Amino acid sequence: EVQLVETGGSLVQPGKSLKLTCATSGFTFSNAWMHWVRQSPEKQLEWVAQIKAKSNNYATYYAESVKGRFTISRDDSKSSVYLQMNSLKEEDTAIYYCTWRVDFWGPGTMVTVSS
Amino acid sequence: DIQMTQSPSLLSASVGDRVTINCKASQNINKYLNWYQQKLGEAPKLLIYNTNNLQTGIPSRFSGSGSGTDYTLTISSLQPEDFGTYFCFQHNSWYTFGAGTKLELK
Repeated sequence: EVQLVETGGSLVQPGKSLKLTCATSGFTFSNAWMHWVRQSPEKQLEWVAQIKAKSNNYATYYAESVKGRFTISRDDSKSSVYLQMNSLKEEDTAIYYCTWRVDFWGPGTMVTVSS
Repeated sequence: DIQMTQSPSLLSASVGDRVTINCKASQNINKYLNWYQQKLGEAPKLLIYNTNNLQTGIPSRFSGSGSGTDYTLTISSLQPEDFGTYFCFQHNSWYTFGAGTKLELK
């Protein structure tokens, strides 16, 4: 059974940093293209970032809204993907989902950016 | 960037009804269009991928169609468990979601 579980969400002040972790199981993670997607309080879904597999040189891609502030990474030995979020803004407040191919999703972790 | 215009934003229907939800892309997305269902407090669940392919385990009352810029999700006979919010998603050029259609009980 495919499972993805996100952790690391919390309340953080604007300008601060946060790192999300997604632990996975039930599929061959080392070959998987992984994504982070977020959902705003208004329920709008937004793709955030993608990381490809080792065979694709771990290529990464970002939405314009987070480029230069967020970094996606992975550890194939732990079947985990990460999202390092720096210089957080109030508009980054959302539920953050980890997904495999945007087919299978974790339950999400809430990030609230507020002073 | 490709924009996805989803309609209607709210749909009221009864059990047994046939319902359709539409998504229009701002340019040709070559059938790279997925549909998701989301229930309150849960993550989105993939229903249909690449326009008309039913994800494993999804009932056959769900179907998808379309080409070019115009795509449709159809539920042939609405069941009580089908109420929730539906999103379209294009993955032809980068990735964009529609704004969602809330399907509620009439």
